[in-house]
Amino acid sequence: NAGVMQNPRHLVRRRGQEARLRCSPMKGHSHVYWYRQLPEEGLKFMVYLQKENIIDESGMPKERFSAEFPKEGPSILRIQQVVRGDSAAYFCASSPPGTLAYNEQFFGPGTRLTVL
Amino acid sequence: SQKIEQNSEALNIQEGKTATLTCNYTNYSPAYLQWYRQDPGRGPVFLLLIRENEKEKRKERLKVTFDTTLKQSLFHITASQPADSATYLCALSSASGTYKYIFGTGTRLKVLA
Repeated sequence: NAGVMQNPRHLVRRRGQEARLRCSPMKGHSHVYWYRQLPEEGLKFMVYLQKENIIDESGMPKERFSAEFPKEGPSILRIQQVVRGDSAAYFCASSPPGTLAYNEQFFGPGTRLTVL
Repeated sequence: SQKIEQNSEALNIQEGKTATLTCNYTNYSPAYLQWYRQDPGRGPVFLLLIRENEKEKRKERLKVTFDTTLKQSLFHITASQPADSATYLCALSSASGTYKYIFGTGTRLKVLA
């Protein structure tokens, strides 16, 4: 049973370009969470999605960032017009349907975004 | 503002000894506290969860305590092994936002052979 998959693992973008980060949750999981980890800082919650629904995006910057989890396919975190401050590791986690929300979240290996 | 503190300095201990890591928090009343392990270049891996009404939880060589009066959790690894070397993160969530974990910056543990 494959774990949470994220791609690409490393992404380099120039300022002003768009970054698309993909997350395939574990098989059977319908809850997806995105976190950002800046150097020397803890993981910060960004958004919680279920299939076709954004449940909580209170941790997402108001501009340039968006997330989706379509009925088919992976969850996508999209960053438009990237700036150097967006350079970070972005982690996706998933949990099964019907899960008690405080239960274990299974994390992917992360995408390391570097903005030049 | 809510704050979680973990010792940012690395902890070096001798193989076979007990490692004790600390997680302190302020301006927060968590309902759940979790500990994760993170290896370089990898995502966090869940280890243990403890609820606010639980004082202690054990799993194999791991033990977690949760003191809501002191606002502190201690994480113990007994009979430590070099393979336990990693960064350990604590994460808190509240009863109203149980999925929205706040993570500490982690403590790096190195077990010396």
